[in-house]
Amino acid sequence: DTAVSQTPKYLVTQMGNDKSIKCEQNLGHDTMYWYKQDSKKFLKIMFSYNNKELIINETVPNRFSPKSPDKAHLNLHINSLELGDSAVYFCASSQASLKQYFGPGTRLTVT
Amino acid sequence: KQEVTQIPAALSVPEGENLVLNCSFTDSAIYNLQWFRQDPGKGLTSLLLIQSSQREQTSGRLNASLDKSSGRSTLYIAASQPGDSATYLCAVRRSNSGNTPLVFGKGTRLSVIA
Repeated sequence: DTAVSQTPKYLVTQMGNDKSIKCEQNLGHDTMYWYKQDSKKFLKIMFSYNNKELIINETVPNRFSPKSPDKAHLNLHINSLELGDSAVYFCASSQASLKQYFGPGTRLTVT
Repeated sequence: KQEVTQIPAALSVPEGENLVLNCSFTDSAIYNLQWFRQDPGKGLTSLLLIQSSQREQTSGRLNASLDKSSGRSTLYIAASQPGDSATYLCAVRRSNSGNTPLVFGKGTRLSVIA
């Protein structure tokens, strides 16, 4: 009965590769988000998305792209991975502006 | 641009003490504020959400207050226990627009010593 799930939990890859992280929520929420937590544990929004609008944080490189096959999923695709992309990525969801629920995180390590 | 600050960055207390964690935000035009707990290597667990029209919310030993006009919130933990050891994050939401993200503080790392 997991609310927000992410796969994989750990991802180790080399520079230049393309990878995807999957996120699914079974809460029936209409809005999903991707956050990045850096080495200093600071959480920053990357994308927020509902069925009407995608909002992109302007600091996010265009190598990152969210893709939503349906309302319950928001996957994160990353092209040409760089060392600085190493971080923990969290998916979250909410019903409109109500409480946000977070997934367990995906620890990405780029070597 | 909204900025959220949490003080102190780290706190260590003996078991049984009552404690207060502080959160301040620069733009008082918020829609709601949410307190989270993050255990090492884990995701975020929502503790309390306060709407901008509310002054406080309570859940068990936790009480969160909000003073929107002064840009401050506090999280009060009563009778602290070693299991309360975690990082506590404060986050604000700017508007009730459906996909408005949260803006986070850097957290307070709490250690409760048995």
